[in-house]
Amino acid sequence: EPEVTQTPSHQVTQMGQEVILRCVPISNHLYFYWYRQILGQKVEFLVSFYNNEISEKSEIFDDQFSVERPDGSNFTLKIRSTKLEDSAMYFCASSRGNTGELFFGEGSRLTVL
Amino acid sequence: RKEVEQDPGPFNVPEGATVAFNCTYSNSASQSFFWYRQDCRKEPKLLMSVYSSGNEDGRFTAQLNRASQYISLLIRDSKLSDSATYLCVVGRTGSGTYKYIFGTGTRLKVLA
Repeated sequence: EPEVTQTPSHQVTQMGQEVILRCVPISNHLYFYWYRQILGQKVEFLVSFYNNEISEKSEIFDDQFSVERPDGSNFTLKIRSTKLEDSAMYFCASSRGNTGELFFGEGSRLTVL
Repeated sequence: RKEVEQDPGPFNVPEGATVAFNCTYSNSASQSFFWYRQDCRKEPKLLMSVYSSGNEDGRFTAQLNRASQYISLLIRDSKLSDSATYLCVVGRTGSGTYKYIFGTGTRLKVLA
C-alpha cells in the first residue's frame, strides 16, 4: 500500500540551528501539506502546496519557515532558526484530489534544546 | 468559537460498551467530513469519511447532520484496541487550496 514517508523520525537540535524535514508524498498525489502537533495539543495546519507553489499558510508559518519540492518527489520543510517552541511533531500529508482524504506520514519529532 | 469543536474526554468505557462522539462545526460552507484515529505519539489515520446519508464500517457508524452542523461517530462493542484519540476533521475551500480543519480530538479509553 502506498504511503507517505518522512525523515528523520526524530531530530534533536540546538536553538538557532536550521532544520530540514523531508517527506515523500504518495506518488500520484497532487496536494501536499505540513502540520504540526505540540505534545498533548491539537494538530495544527502550517502550509499547503500545490502545483509547485504555496497555496495557503497559517499564521504559524512565519518567515522562518519555508517549503519546497526540489525534485518532483521530495517535499521539504525548512526551519531557519529554531526556537524552543518549535519543538513538536511535524506531519507531512498528501491527498490525491482537492477534497479527498488526507494521508499522513509517521511524523518527524523535533526537539529544540 | 473554534471552527471544529469536540469534547476532549476522556471517555472511559468498559469493553463491549457502545460509545458515541459528537463534533460540531461552525462554517456552513464545510464540504467534507472525516473521522481520524490517532494513537499516542503516532500519525492520524483515516477511520472513515462521513457522508450525508451516513455510513457504516463494521462496528463504526458515522452520521452527518448538515442542518445542525454536527457529525457523530458511534462505536459498538468496544474493544481494548479502540483506545485512542478520535479526531474530527472538516474540509472546506480556504483562501488558497482546500483546507482541513482539525478538532482537538476525543480521547477514548476502553477498560477491561
